[in-house]
Amino acid sequence: NAGVTQTPKFRVLKTGQSMTLLCAQDMNHEYMYWYRQDPGMGLRLIHYSVGEGTTAKGEVPDGYNVSRLKKQNFLLGLESAAPSQTSVYFCASSYRPTSGRTDTQYFGPGTRLTVL
Amino acid sequence: AQSVTQPDIHITVSEGASLELRCNYSYGATPYLFWYVQSPGQGLQLLLKYFSGDTLVQGIKGFEAEFKRSQSSFNLRKPSVHWSDAAEYFCAVGAARNTPLVFGKGTRLSVIA
Repeated sequence: NAGVTQTPKFRVLKTGQSMTLLCAQDMNHEYMYWYRQDPGMGLRLIHYSVGEGTTAKGEVPDGYNVSRLKKQNFLLGLESAAPSQTSVYFCASSYRPTSGRTDTQYFGPGTRLTVL
Repeated sequence: AQSVTQPDIHITVSEGASLELRCNYSYGATPYLFWYVQSPGQGLQLLLKYFSGDTLVQGIKGFEAEFKRSQSSFNLRKPSVHWSDAAEYFCAVGAARNTPLVFGKGTRLSVIA
């Protein structure tokens, strides 16, 4: 079991360039999430998905788009990168809750993105 | 909406000393509570979680946490800290069914000899 994997691990972009971050999980989880982590800000939710073909906005969605075409993959896109998007990006996944509360989220190793 | 507060941004302890990291949550019903640890350059790893039952929960690496409903707290403890415990620690609360976990801003732990 690889768990949650993220591609690439590092990337440097110039302002205005586009890129896609790939998250893959092999745990058959229904829910997937994208976070960004910045010093002193903790983890901030960008977008998430509760199932194949569905996505929802999180706390900081502007400048990002996502797609969940396959259950095991969750893509995060930056159409026109800005220096403010320099961050470490984490993907996570979890089972659909069978009780009334959100269950454990499992995290990938992160992607460090620098926008010049 | 639910929220999590970790009052301490940075804590320094001596190796072998005891540790307590504070976490306070805001949620109207009984929450699911989590502690995660992030080592430098790594992703987040689950330390322990509380869903129901015994309010003192044991986790990996010798950590434990106690849920206190009256204080809306879920503090993380370890009786004797090791240098390898130096990391960032995040408390999180799970609330409504289809919403993601809400994380605190984290507490960075430094361990000195």
